[in-house]
Amino acid sequence: AQSVTQLGSHVSVSEGALVLLRCNYSSSVPPYLFWYVQYPNQGLQLLLKYTSAATLVKGINGFEAEFKKSETSFHLTKPSAHMSDAAEYFCAVRDSSYKLIFGSGTRLLVRP
Amino acid sequence: NAGVTQTPKFQVLKTGQSMTLQCAQDMNHNSMYWYRQDPGMGLRLIYYSASEGTTDKGEVPNGYNVSRLNKREFSLRLESAAPSQTSVYFCASSELAGLGYGYTFGSGTRLTVV
Repeated sequence: AQSVTQLGSHVSVSEGALVLLRCNYSSSVPPYLFWYVQYPNQGLQLLLKYTSAATLVKGINGFEAEFKKSETSFHLTKPSAHMSDAAEYFCAVRDSSYKLIFGSGTRLLVRP
Repeated sequence: NAGVTQTPKFQVLKTGQSMTLQCAQDMNHNSMYWYRQDPGMGLRLIYYSASEGTTDKGEVPNGYNVSRLNKREFSLRLESAAPSQTSVYFCASSELAGLGYGYTFGSGTRLTVV
């Protein structure tokens, strides 16, 4: 069965610092992996996705993620945090029935 | 604007009452989904419809029913609401199940059952 684990329910960084949000996956098929962002009182927006092409995936708002098969990881990074990045972030993996399985989420706090 | 529209945005129900959450998409997507979001638990799939005319249970279907009315619309019904169904409900759609397409989400329905 497919699953994702997001390490850290809350991450706090200073404005301008590196953002690193961790996601590890388990999949019995070649994985399709996704990162979504949820701003307060809004739905989820797709940040980026990995679909077996390039292992380094660039998304919107300066975020990127690297697929590492050997580590079963798909961590999300951004070189310099901005106040507007404060949100909740969800990692997801496509399951064998083609549905998305979501992690429990990581809330990013950006300190001025 | 194209996307997924959910109604209502907020609802308060008494225990035992029924209601239907509406969802419509205008992107000609084949697949539609209903999730619930609870603190610390991420999103859990309630029901989904891979294509018009089909529906299947997800991870947490108990207490819910769905109807895929046509390609655009996918409704979620609570027949007898319980406090455990207090949650934020999201509808989503995708172009094709089975491919690397992400989902487009609605803005959610915040439901409180008292």
